[in-house]
Amino acid sequence: EDKVVQSPLSLVVHEGDTVTLNCSYEVTNFRSLLWYKQEKKAPTFLFMLTSSGIEKKSGRLSSILDKKELFSILNITATQTGDSAIYLCAATNYGGSQGNLIFGKGTKLSVKP
Amino acid sequence: GAGVSQSPSNKVTEKGKDVELRCDPISGHTALYWYRQRLGQGLEFLIYFQGNSAPDKSGLPSDRFSAERTGESVSTLTIQRTQQEDSAVYLCASSLTLGRVYEQYFGPGTRLTVT
Repeated sequence: EDKVVQSPLSLVVHEGDTVTLNCSYEVTNFRSLLWYKQEKKAPTFLFMLTSSGIEKKSGRLSSILDKKELFSILNITATQTGDSAIYLCAATNYGGSQGNLIFGKGTKLSVKP
Repeated sequence: GAGVSQSPSNKVTEKGKDVELRCDPISGHTALYWYRQRLGQGLEFLIYFQGNSAPDKSGLPSDRFSAERTGESVSTLTIQRTQQEDSAVYLCASSLTLGRVYEQYFGPGTRLTVT
């Protein structure tokens, strides 16, 4: 059964800290890995990763994929209280339902002032 | 422009009753998806629609769940004879085409509570 596992499940840090969120996957015919930020109800898209070793970067956020070890990390530097959210990792695969993202349970990040 | 909208935002219902959740996708988006998120859990795929093609219902948890979409417009998710385990946030998303899953735009969700 395809699965995506995120760790830690929750994390509390102080403003200015750097955090690393982990996502491992076991997905048949893996295609891509996506990161979302979920505040309140609706997730917003952050990154899509398809190739190993190529870092995607957006401001203080960056992410990289390791297709050999089957994991991805999401880094947030100089955290701010506005970074507090649930970060979701999801995988897609070839041949399966194209509409189907396999989501992890998320990491709840709390950034204290 | 307008994003994905869902209604109602919150719904409390008694066990055994039927509920209908509505999703208005972004205009022009041919693909529409429904997900469920139980408390403390990740998103579970339920169903997607792509244009006039037959929907992929592979994620629907039981025959109490059904969904319809008229063309490329509004979709409704119906849960019959609700159970307490149906309590969750139901999220709808749309994207320009089916293949562009990374450009899914999510609605605010409907929080369903079954008492």
